[in-house]
Amino acid sequence: GENVEQHPSTLSVQEGDSAVIKCTYSDSASNYFPWYKQELGKRPQLIIDIRSNVGEKKDQRIAVTLNKTAKHFSLHITETQPEDSAVYFCAASKAGRRALTFGSGTRLQVQP
Amino acid sequence: DSGVTQTPKHLITATGQRVTLRCSPRSGDLSVYWYQQSLDQGLQFLIQYYNGEERAKGNILERFSAQQFPDLHSELNLSSLELGDSALYFCASSGSWGEETQYFGPGTRLLVL
Repeated sequence: GENVEQHPSTLSVQEGDSAVIKCTYSDSASNYFPWYKQELGKRPQLIIDIRSNVGEKKDQRIAVTLNKTAKHFSLHITETQPEDSAVYFCAASKAGRRALTFGSGTRLQVQP
Repeated sequence: DSGVTQTPKHLITATGQRVTLRCSPRSGDLSVYWYQQSLDQGLQFLIQYYNGEERAKGNILERFSAQQFPDLHSELNLSSLELGDSALYFCASSGSWGEETQYFGPGTRLLVL
């Protein structure tokens, strides 16, 4: 089955700096890659997603890039703010099996 | 608010007991997914239902079962509970078959003592 690896497991940045989280996937048939933000004790919230026919997608301070050849995708957060502090999960799914396979999560801490 | 609801929010029970977790998907969504989040295993897919039928299984134990009812709400039944079943249980919903985007409910925190 699909395997998604995520790193780093923890990331600490200063407010205003950029943060990058990387994921790799194993199943070349995967074609949907969402990113979820989870605050302590809360639900995972979808923050951005990308499909395999697109190489990059941006939404304000958040961007995701996808390299299908290398089977990896990354989340970029610019101008980080303390409220960006949370655990971020990458995930992957494919046609015919839309259940999400999650990475292990990255705890992002933005220091004010 | 994602529009997905789950009850109860918290559940404390003893080993060997049985509990039922309930999920109501977003209005119009036909797919319901159940996920378990534990400290050591992360977020893991358990089972998916689509319009009342089981469609995919993940790492779901035989002691666990689920169903989706005609009104599209779903229940996850956990029996013969063990300490290791303590976790957050989330359901997520999506629209039509093949729809990728999933919206998560607030979760049920289960503590088995």
